[in-house]
Amino acid sequence: AQSVSQHNHHVILSEAASLELGCNYSYGGTVNLFWYVQYPGQHLQLLLKYFSGDPLVKGIKGFEAEFIKSKFSFNLRKPSVQWSDTAEYFCAVYTGGFKTIFGAGTRLFVKA
Amino acid sequence: AAGVIQSPRHLIKEKRETATLKCYPIPRHDTVYWYQQGPGQDPQFLISFYEKMQSDKGSIPDRFSAQQFSDYHSELNMSSLELGDSALYFCASSSGTISYEQYFGPGTRLTVT
Repeated sequence: AQSVSQHNHHVILSEAASLELGCNYSYGGTVNLFWYVQYPGQHLQLLLKYFSGDPLVKGIKGFEAEFIKSKFSFNLRKPSVQWSDTAEYFCAVYTGGFKTIFGAGTRLFVKA
Repeated sequence: AAGVIQSPRHLIKEKRETATLKCYPIPRHDTVYWYQQGPGQDPQFLISFYEKMQSDKGSIPDRFSAQQFSDYHSELNMSSLELGDSALYFCASSSGTISYEQYFGPGTRLTVT
């Protein structure tokens, strides 16, 4: 069955620290990949997406992600986090059939 | 820019009652998705519609049904509500012919007492 695995459920960082959130998926075909962010009390918002082309994609608020096909991974990175990045981050994979599979989410807490 | 609209934003129901949640997609979006997010959990896909036809089905209980209307808005009908149905219900929309990037609504928080 298709699945999305996020490596960390909780991450605590200090401001200015670098961030990398892992995401692996299980599907051998063509995928569309997404990272969504959910700030406290708010709905899901798209951070960035990968459909094709350059495997390094840049999103909003200084986030980027790298698609590594051989590793079935789509890790999210940010060089220097801010307190305002405190949120839950969801990796998602679209494999076709109008269904997107979400990972379990990673709660990021950034200490001021 | 117009976003996905959901109503109501909050709903309190008692066990065994029924509830109807509404979703209005972004204009010209033809695909609607419903998700259920329990406390501290990731969004679970329930069901989706493309051009008013059911396009995919996830973990939607038999007590729930949904449809997409001619104006592309969608309604999720929930009957015989149980305490475990308390959750945040998200609707998302996309343009199925362009990309599958989903735009999420603010959600309806359903509390079953």
